[in-house]
Amino acid sequence: LAKTTQPISMDSYEGQEVNITCSHNNIATNDYITWYQQFPSQGPRFIIQGYKTKVTNEVASLFIPADRKSSTLSLPRVSLSDTAVYYCLVLPTQTGANNLFFGTGTRLTVIP
Amino acid sequence: SQTIHQWPATLVQPVGSPLSLECTVEGTSNPNLYWYRQAAGRGLQLLFYSVGIGQISSEVPQNLSASRPQDRQFILSSKKLLLSDSGFYLCAWSVGGRVNNEQFFGPGTRLTVL
Repeated sequence: LAKTTQPISMDSYEGQEVNITCSHNNIATNDYITWYQQFPSQGPRFIIQGYKTKVTNEVASLFIPADRKSSTLSLPRVSLSDTAVYYCLVLPTQTGANNLFFGTGTRLTVIP
Repeated sequence: SQTIHQWPATLVQPVGSPLSLECTVEGTSNPNLYWYRQAAGRGLQLLFYSVGIGQISSEVPQNLSASRPQDRQFILSSKKLLLSDSGFYLCAWSVGGRVNNEQFFGPGTRLTVL
């Protein structure tokens, strides 16, 4: 089970780029790195997923170094509406939910 | 498009009473279905998941049970609620197959056990 470690909380000012790093030292060859965002009183929402190097979509970028033992979620120019909890998951490309562990995530607070 | 429904939105129940939460998905077939619980200020805990009708896997021992009587219906039940069952219950679905497929969450049910 490739458990993850991420900071409990982060603060950022509006308009800044925010980078949230996740450690997953025991990641396996067939594991993918997935990030979710959760607003209060709502279910999590998928943000981005990657296997190696860099993935970018309209919301965020995901940077994964060659050894894949960590990953960084990058949110460009955050706004107040980006205040949420961000979860890093490491999940294999297989059936079953044995490794489905959200943890407590990183609570990002965007300050005006 | 696919949608996921949960009800009720909020529920207040006395200790020892039964529980039934329902989740339905529209617009997809043979989804994987999940029940999560989130206690106040804590992360999401996977309770049950199902890959098909009548197929339920339990992740955490507890006094809760789940059933999937139809392809797109997932029910969470308890015969006798405990105080520790209070929390935010979320149902989710994903395309069947790989565990790393994107999950889509419902609006949740906030349960308070008194």
